[in-house]
Amino acid sequence: NAGVTQTPKFQVLKTGQSMTLQCAQDMNHEYMSWYRQDPGMGLRLIHYSVGAGITDQGEVPNGYNVSRSTTEDFPLRLLSAAPSQTSVYFCASSYTTGGNTIYFGEGSWLTVV
Amino acid sequence: AQSVTQLDSQVPVFEEAPVELRCNYSSSVSVYLFWYVQYPNQGLQLLLKYLSGSTLVKGINGFEAEFNKSQTSFHLRKPSVHISDTAEYFCAVRENNAGNMLTFGGGTRLMVKP
Repeated sequence: NAGVTQTPKFQVLKTGQSMTLQCAQDMNHEYMSWYRQDPGMGLRLIHYSVGAGITDQGEVPNGYNVSRSTTEDFPLRLLSAAPSQTSVYFCASSYTTGGNTIYFGEGSWLTVV
Repeated sequence: AQSVTQLDSQVPVFEEAPVELRCNYSSSVSVYLFWYVQYPNQGLQLLLKYLSGSTLVKGINGFEAEFNKSQTSFHLRKPSVHISDTAEYFCAVRENNAGNMLTFGGGTRLMVKP
């Protein structure tokens, strides 16, 4: 198993550009989510999905879009990048039962200039 | 809504000394509790979790944590740290009626000195 795979690992964007962070998991997990990590603030939930075709907003959804067309993939789209979106982004997945371990990808470092 | 407070942003400690990383949470319902570790430029790895049962939970790498419901705390401990334990540690809470959504604390950077 590859686990949770994120691409790209590093990216520099100009303000106003759009891009997609890719996330794939091979564990047949129903639940997938995106977090952003900022210094001193831990990880904050952006969007999540409980299965193919179902997505919902987390704590900080503005400026981001997601879709879930397959169980395996959960891409995160930045529609018009802003410097405030400079952050480290983590994708995570798990089975839906509340006590199950959530597995994280290795992160995507995004800088918006 | 739940919240998580990690009381120390940085904890410096000498190698082979004991360490405690503090975590307090607030929630109006019962919760699951987690500690994750993040090594530099890497993702998060689960150290341990509390779901139910014994309040003392043992995890990987010699870490353990104790759930204290009355104090709403879940402090992480290790009796003797190594240089390789230098990392950022995150406490997280999941309400048991909130699906899989984790709420994280701000993190504690453990710095082990020789």
